[in-house]
Amino acid sequence: AQTVTQSQPEMSVQEAETVTLSCTYDTSESDYYLFWYKQPPSRQMILVIRQEAYKQQNATENRFSVNFQKAAKSFSLKISDSQLGDAAMYFCAYRGKDSNYQLIWGAGTKLIIKP
Amino acid sequence: GAGVSQSPSNKVTEKGKDVELRCDPISGHTALYWYRQSLGQGLEFLIYFQGNSAPDKSGLPSDRFSAERTGGSVSTLTIQRTQQEDSAVYLCASVRGSSYNEQFFGPGTRLTVL
Repeated sequence: AQTVTQSQPEMSVQEAETVTLSCTYDTSESDYYLFWYKQPPSRQMILVIRQEAYKQQNATENRFSVNFQKAAKSFSLKISDSQLGDAAMYFCAYRGKDSNYQLIWGAGTKLIIKP
Repeated sequence: GAGVSQSPSNKVTEKGKDVELRCDPISGHTALYWYRQSLGQGLEFLIYFQGNSAPDKSGLPSDRFSAERTGGSVSTLTIQRTQQEDSAVYLCASVRGSSYNEQFFGPGTRLTVL
């Protein structure tokens, strides 16, 4: 069975600096999708960025980028120029491409932005 | 509306009572998920609806939990004889179709069982 692990329950960063959130996963599948979701205090889960496993190029979305290491089964999220609005819970999630339409979720990392 | 909506936003109930939680997905989205999120935890899959197919109920924690989706749109999650351990945020998400990846989430219903 697939699992997703986020080993950092909480991270803090100074405003305008860069922070990296870690995520590792375990799977026997060769093709799959990986996601980072953000959940602010409003509870609304928002997709931040997604990566398709067959693509070697790391996905980027403005200030957000990932470091996808397929062999190491690692999928970290880098947030550059951190802003106060980035404060939230961040969840890493996995979805198998063919057989598994469910998302497998990590436990989340709480990101605190220091002004 | 443009997004997924859920009602009520908050629900406080007494142990042993039944509750119904509602989810209105994005119009045209054929897939719908229910998740449970306990305090400080990730999301726990409960049930999945895709079009007219039989739902995947494999995540429902007990037979006190049930869900239905009427007309391929609105979904109701029912919890019978609520227990204190049912207290959590219940999130609904919809997807355009089975071949799409992005799940669009509602704001959730916070259930508190006293």
